[in-house]
Amino acid sequence: DAGVTQSPTHLIKTRGQQVTLRCSPKSGHDTVSWYQQALGQGPQFIFQYYEEEERQRGNFPDRFSGHQFPNYSSELNVNALLLGDSALYLCASSLFTRKSLRTGELFFGEGSRLTVL
Amino acid sequence: DAKTTQPTSMDCAEGRAANLPCNHSTISGNEYVYWYRQIHSQGPQYIIHGLKNNETNEMASLIITEDRKSSTLILPHATLRDTAVYYCIVRVGGGGADGLTFGKGTHLIIQP
Repeated sequence: DAGVTQSPTHLIKTRGQQVTLRCSPKSGHDTVSWYQQALGQGPQFIFQYYEEEERQRGNFPDRFSGHQFPNYSSELNVNALLLGDSALYLCASSLFTRKSLRTGELFFGEGSRLTVL
Repeated sequence: DAKTTQPTSMDCAEGRAANLPCNHSTISGNEYVYWYRQIHSQGPQYIIHGLKNNETNEMASLIITEDRKSSTLILPHATLRDTAVYYCIVRVGGGGADGLTFGKGTHLIIQP
């Protein structure tokens, strides 16, 4: 049973460029959330997708956008990259039913480390 | 979501029980206490969660005080592989797993 997979694992961009990160959720999960983790900080919630719609959003600007596909996989897009966008981007999956109340757990991928020069 | 307070770092000897405290004095009646950990260079991993009763699973035990204002995560026999940052999170439970609010957590170092 594959867990959450993310790609690419590492990438380097320059200021002003755009980046797309990809995530495949754990088998059987239908909800994908994205988090940004700066060095030495805890992960910060960006947004969550369910049924191909953004359901909840954290305090991130519109430069951060996403998409969810019918197979539940997801993309995170960041436009006009800034140096401060350098971080580990984590994807987490879960099941959008009250079943998640029993486990309460999100399954995280290993992340995509973005460096902006 | 209620805020949490955790010590920045803790040491524990290998083989001993590691007790990680968390203060959440503003917790609401419908908020659960969740614990995750993050081993270096990996994504966070769920450990355990509870509402008001003590909970135990194969990884750890969670002790929640009667007034629910604080809790303790217990790793009964710590190993070197338990060295990680441990996050205590308080949030409303339920389907959809709404966005978690991570603090800086406790860096637990298991000493050989």
